[in-house]
Amino acid sequence: QSALTQPASVSGSPGQSITISCTGTSSDVGSYSLVSWYQQHPGKAPKLMICEVSKRPSGVSDRFSGSKSGNTASLTISGLQAEDEADYYCCSYGGSSTSVFGTGTKVTVL
Amino acid sequence: QVQLQESGPGLVKPSETLSLTCTVSGGSISSYYWTWIRQPPGKGLEWIGYIYYGGISNYHPSLKSRVTISVDTSKNQFSLKLTSVTAADTAVYYCARRDKLGAVWDWGQGTLVTVSS
Repeated sequence: QSALTQPASVSGSPGQSITISCTGTSSDVGSYSLVSWYQQHPGKAPKLMICEVSKRPSGVSDRFSGSKSGNTASLTISGLQAEDEADYYCCSYGGSSTSVFGTGTKVTVL
Repeated sequence: QVQLQESGPGLVKPSETLSLTCTVSGGSISSYYWTWIRQPPGKGLEWIGYIYYGGISNYHPSLKSRVTISVDTSKNQFSLKLTSVTAADTAVYYCARRDKLGAVWDWGQGTLVTVSS
């Protein structure tokens, strides 16, 4: 079970939109609509931002959206704000009742 | 939203057993799925395993031979045991509540466990 692949870093200016990719295989991301995304600020626990590919938990800004195509899931942050600067992790059902996280992406607001 | 708090030794010797407990408040442990996730310093998240109060559990394939997650409903706690630890097991360990579909909704603050002699 290998970690899902994410870009190490993504950056954007305030107000812009950025997209973080999360690439897995046909055994995980490609086979299930069970991808979640987490935001983690330094020294803090992660926070659920998206579940089941595109569902936003109550209280999460609608600037965050998720999608999936084939073996790749994506998180888009629109109207980028300084507070969005953090690490982001995807996670997918990996089959056989397991989960697998992505490698993580550091988002920098320029 | 439930609250979770990890507790246990912050230092474990190589080859010994890492033991952590997570105390759940604000909700019954009998109602959800519970999970352990770890994060080595400066690195990404790694799923360790989960348990449902009825005893259903599953673990990361690479850790399966060394990991046990258990539930104590009388104390509203669940626990992690990881045997034969090495320096590679040094990490911040998070306990958390997940749903049936795998999304992790509530997290503890995390506790750093260092494996060193």
